[in-house]
Amino acid sequence: GAVVSQHPSWVICKSGTSVKIECRSLDFQATTMFWYRQFPKQSLMLMATSNEGSKATYEQGVEKDKFLINHASLTLSTLTVTSAHPEDSSFYICSARDRPGNYGYTFGSGTRLTVV
Amino acid sequence: AQSVAQPEDQVNVAEGNPLTVKCTYSVSGNPYLFWYVQYPNRGLQFLLKYITGDNLVKGSYGFEAEFNKSQTSFHLKKPSALVSDSALYFCAVRPPASGTYKYIFGTGTRLKVLA
Repeated sequence: GAVVSQHPSWVICKSGTSVKIECRSLDFQATTMFWYRQFPKQSLMLMATSNEGSKATYEQGVEKDKFLINHASLTLSTLTVTSAHPEDSSFYICSARDRPGNYGYTFGSGTRLTVV
Repeated sequence: AQSVAQPEDQVNVAEGNPLTVKCTYSVSGNPYLFWYVQYPNRGLQFLLKYITGDNLVKGSYGFEAEFNKSQTSFHLKKPSALVSDSALYFCAVRPPASGTYKYIFGTGTRLKVLA
């Protein structure tokens, strides 16, 4: 079945540094990927929709300059948290649609970001 | 506003007993409905979906869900719970085809199956 690989699975960084999270579709091409953020004991919040070869579409309230998304190929989308602060600590999950007409999406295993 | 409600933060059930995790939605039109399961520090795993057709949908790991249009509900069920079913369960809705592929997630229900 379709597999989405997310890397790293966890990362600890210092406040003020930037962190890049990768989301790869391993056995299919994903023109569209989604990035979510999940706070402890809360639901997933859609941050942005990543489209291959074009700019990402951000949800209301999500800072574009803070969370940089690049979808340079059909199998890779990256989320860069710039100038990270402790309040950016969270669980980040990506997902992708594995084929046209598929109504459900495949999710990555998530990245636990801790900013100290 | 479109929304998904999972009224129970936690459901406890004894192993071997049937389980139900509730989900109701408020979305115009005929949405697509999904259930996902999340284990600690992991992404979401797809369980089942309802798009159209039979109201009773069967999915992975023995789970099933019943779509009830009049009650706008999509409850997740399993006839006999296993300890390994203990996890966080999310109901999700995709509004009808309107050019959007966005999910609306419920707040999640933690299922605890007791041995």
